[in-house]
Amino acid sequence: QSALTQPASVSGSPGQSITISCTGTSSDVGGYNFVSWYQQHPGKAPKLMIYDVSNRPSGLSNRFSGSKSGNTASLTISGLQAEDEADYYCSSYTSSSTLVFGGGTKLTVL
Amino acid sequence: EVQLVESGGGLVQPGRSLRLSCTASGFTVGDYAMSWIRQAPGKGLEWVGFIKSKPYGGTTEYAASVKGRFTISRDDSKSIAYLQMNSLKTDDTAVYYCTRLVVPAHFDYWGQGTLVTVSS
Repeated sequence: QSALTQPASVSGSPGQSITISCTGTSSDVGGYNFVSWYQQHPGKAPKLMIYDVSNRPSGLSNRFSGSKSGNTASLTISGLQAEDEADYYCSSYTSSSTLVFGGGTKLTVL
Repeated sequence: EVQLVESGGGLVQPGRSLRLSCTASGFTVGDYAMSWIRQAPGKGLEWVGFIKSKPYGGTTEYAASVKGRFTISRDDSKSIAYLQMNSLKTDDTAVYYCTRLVVPAHFDYWGQGTLVTVSS
């Protein structure tokens, strides 16, 4: 199972919105509504941000949203804040009943 | 409060074995699948495998990179999940995270990770 494809880096200024893409195939992202997103700050464990394409865990800021079109899922962060600077990973269920991550995207807040 | 605490990491020679443990608290472990995820130094996340809860058969699935070498098991009476790693390779060097898996597809709680270094 090949890793999902994410841009290596994205950047934005405080207050702006950014979108991170996650591209797979019809055997993973495109075939199931089971895409999740994780935020990881340096030296810390990842944290769940979005699950099942567009659902937010309880208590998470509504500045984070998820969507999917075809084989590509997206994470959008609106009203960018300094603390959003982190690595972001997508993950998907696959037709082999396994799970696969994207390569990760480094978000820089300018 | 849900907590996952990994233990058992360390330095091991190539070809040897190591067993990691994940001690869970704050929830009924038997009701959930558990999964292991690793992260090589400076690299991204890689899913290793999972074990379903016993009501769902307690079945396991593994990434191709570890299949046949790694085994996940669970002892619900002790609230512990295990990752048995055999025939270790230098490429297995990573921080190993224990996670709670909400089947089929998302990891809602993570431990802080334990570092495994495979080197001679």
